[in-house]
Amino acid sequence: AQSVTQLGSHVSVSEGALVLLRCNYSSSVPPYLFWYVQYPNQGLQLLLKYTTGATLVKGINGFEAEFKKSETSFHLTKPSAHMSDAAEYFCAVSDGHDMRFGAGTRLTVKP
Amino acid sequence: IAGITQAPTSQILAAGRRMTLRCTQDMRHNAMYWYRQDLGLGLRLIHYSNTAGTTGKGEVPDGYSVSRANTDDFPLTLASAVPSQTSVYFCASKAGEANTEAFFGQGTRLTVV
Repeated sequence: AQSVTQLGSHVSVSEGALVLLRCNYSSSVPPYLFWYVQYPNQGLQLLLKYTTGATLVKGINGFEAEFKKSETSFHLTKPSAHMSDAAEYFCAVSDGHDMRFGAGTRLTVKP
Repeated sequence: IAGITQAPTSQILAAGRRMTLRCTQDMRHNAMYWYRQDLGLGLRLIHYSNTAGTTGKGEVPDGYSVSRANTDDFPLTLASAVPSQTSVYFCASKAGEANTEAFFGQGTRLTVV
C-alpha cells in the first residue's frame, strides 16, 4: 500500500527566507508524486507533480521539488518566502488506483 | 468554468440522521474520490471510483457508502450520522491515469450533533 509522511506539521519562516517542506513516500510501484496547496476555507490546488523524466520539477509560484528515489523523498522548496505563501501544503502519492495524502504542513511566513 | 461542485456547502446534522453529500463534475473524468479532512490527520480517503459503475473502499470507509451510476455524479451517504463524522469533506476527480492530477471541490463542512 502506498503512503506519505510529511515531517513537521508546522513550519515557520521569515519573509525572504528559504522554504523547505519535507515529504517521504512509500509505494510498491514507481510512484507519481504531487504537492498541493490549500488556502483557508478553500479546496486544494495543484502546485506541481512528478510523473517521469526530470527529477527536479518546477511548479507555480516559484516552488519546486526534487524526486529522490534512493531517499524515497519529494521535498518542496522555494528560495524566498512571500507572505502570500502562508497556507497548508499537502504531499500526495498515486499508484493508479487511488491517491493518498500526507497529514499536511502548515506554513507560516513572518514579516 | 464549473469543474467540481459540492453541495451543501455546510450542514449541521442531528446524530442518527441520514445524509447525502452531493458531488458533480463536468470534466468527464473517469476517477472520483471522497476525502475527509481533520486537523492533524490531513486528507483521508473514504471511497473512490475509477470508472462509472465501480467503487472501492479507501482508508476510512466505515459508516459511509457511495454510488457511481454515471460519470458525472458521485454522492456520499452517511446512513446514520455520528459525531465522529464531523469533518470537512472534499470530493475530487481526475482523468484516471495515475500521472494526472486530481481536481478538488470547495468542500462540505459537516457538523454532527
